[in-house]
Amino acid sequence: EVQLVESGGGLVQPGRSLRLSCAASGFTFDDYAMHWVRQAPGKGLEWVSGISWNSGSIGYADSVKGRFTISRDNAKNSLYLQMNSLRAEDTALYYCAKGAPRGEWLFYYFDYWGQGTLVTVSS
Amino acid sequence: DIVMTQSPDSLAVSLGERATINCKSSQSVLYSSNNKNYLAWYQQKPGQPPKLLIYWASTRESGVPDRFSGSGSGTDFTLTISSLQAEDVAVYYCQQYYSTPRGITFGQGTRLEIK
Repeated sequence: EVQLVESGGGLVQPGRSLRLSCAASGFTFDDYAMHWVRQAPGKGLEWVSGISWNSGSIGYADSVKGRFTISRDNAKNSLYLQMNSLRAEDTALYYCAKGAPRGEWLFYYFDYWGQGTLVTVSS
Repeated sequence: DIVMTQSPDSLAVSLGERATINCKSSQSVLYSSNNKNYLAWYQQKPGQPPKLLIYWASTRESGVPDRFSGSGSGTDFTLTISSLQAEDVAVYYCQQYYSTPRGITFGQGTRLEIK
């Protein structure tokens, strides 16, 4: 059974940093691209960032480019999102999602999602 | 960016009736080299993460009931629920995964309720 478990969310002041993690199990992690998608309270879905199976291809939404960094550790079956210079508008539930298989390009549909970790940016 | 626009924003349908949700992209998401539409549909129930229903515009994900179907090509797409069940109450999102280097975008969502 595929499981994606996010952690690392919490309350943080504007301008500070936070690192999210996603622990994956139930599939061969290093065969798939992985993504972060967020959802502000009561709002829709926004893709944040994605990383290919070997970290060779990475993409970011314009809203986070230059502030957020995605990474992965295939030995640990883990995905990360380093979030710097946080703003109030980054407040959201952050989902980890499983993407394209090896050999496909980065942008793909998401067949499994975690339950999310809540990030609240407020003073 | 490719902008995805769903209609309507909300929809109330009687049990057993057909529900239709539309999604329009600001540019084509049909990739000519493989003739695939880079379009997916998701269902999100309250307090849950999104669930994949349809990918490549019309391919149903394993385990998804066959009352759910997707159609369309290019810029205009439709999600149809042929006979609405109570458990189908949710918000539905379309997603394009064609765009590079701008990435992935979602529609604003359509809230489906029972009339």
